[in-house]
Amino acid sequence: DAGVIQSPRHEVTEMGQEVTLRCKPISGHDYLFWYRQTMMRGLELLIYFNNNVPIDDSGMPEDRFSAKMPNASFSTLKIQPSEPRDSAVYFCASSLRTDRGQETQYFGPGTRLLVL
Amino acid sequence: KQEVTQIPAALSVPEGENLVLNCSFTDSAIYNLQWFRQDPGKGLTSLLLIQSSQREQTSGRLNASLDKSSGRSTLYIAASQPGDSATYLCAVEETTDSWGKLQFGAGTQVVVTP
Repeated sequence: DAGVIQSPRHEVTEMGQEVTLRCKPISGHDYLFWYRQTMMRGLELLIYFNNNVPIDDSGMPEDRFSAKMPNASFSTLKIQPSEPRDSAVYFCASSLRTDRGQETQYFGPGTRLLVL
Repeated sequence: KQEVTQIPAALSVPEGENLVLNCSFTDSAIYNLQWFRQDPGKGLTSLLLIQSSQREQTSGRLNASLDKSSGRSTLYIAASQPGDSATYLCAVEETTDSWGKLQFGAGTQVVVTP
């Protein structure tokens, strides 16, 4: 398997523009997570899905952020409008729940976002 | 609210020395604890996962212990190598309705000098 795939790898945009980050989880995984990582705040969970349904979005910072998972192989995280403080690395991760419990999360390479 | 702390924030050792990384958590009602490695500019890679019923896990030169009652986990890396240089993060999954939700520590940045 190719692992978790994220695109784009880098994004530079101007304040006020819409940004869309994309993620393809590992095939067969039933959980998908979106994280944000900054030097100041470390790694923060934004939202996660189980079987394409959002379970917990309490980490989404503002209404400017939205996430969707239209099917088991694709998810998007959208920021509209973007602001300089949204600059961070955004990670997508996926995992599988088995009879033994939750298996480890597999992370994508991240999207490095810079909002000017 | 669960808080995960990693001390020290940074560590430098000469090649060949054993590494000891610490992780503490405030709420012992956890489902599991995981250790991850992050290389600069890369995503996280899982190293070890310890279920709450276990006391340790081993993989090659890595050994992780878990003491739920005291809220501590330790990651040991034997005979460190320059390739072990990375940031190591621990994370706990809590026994709440939010299955799968991980709470991460800030990480320990490790440098192994040749």
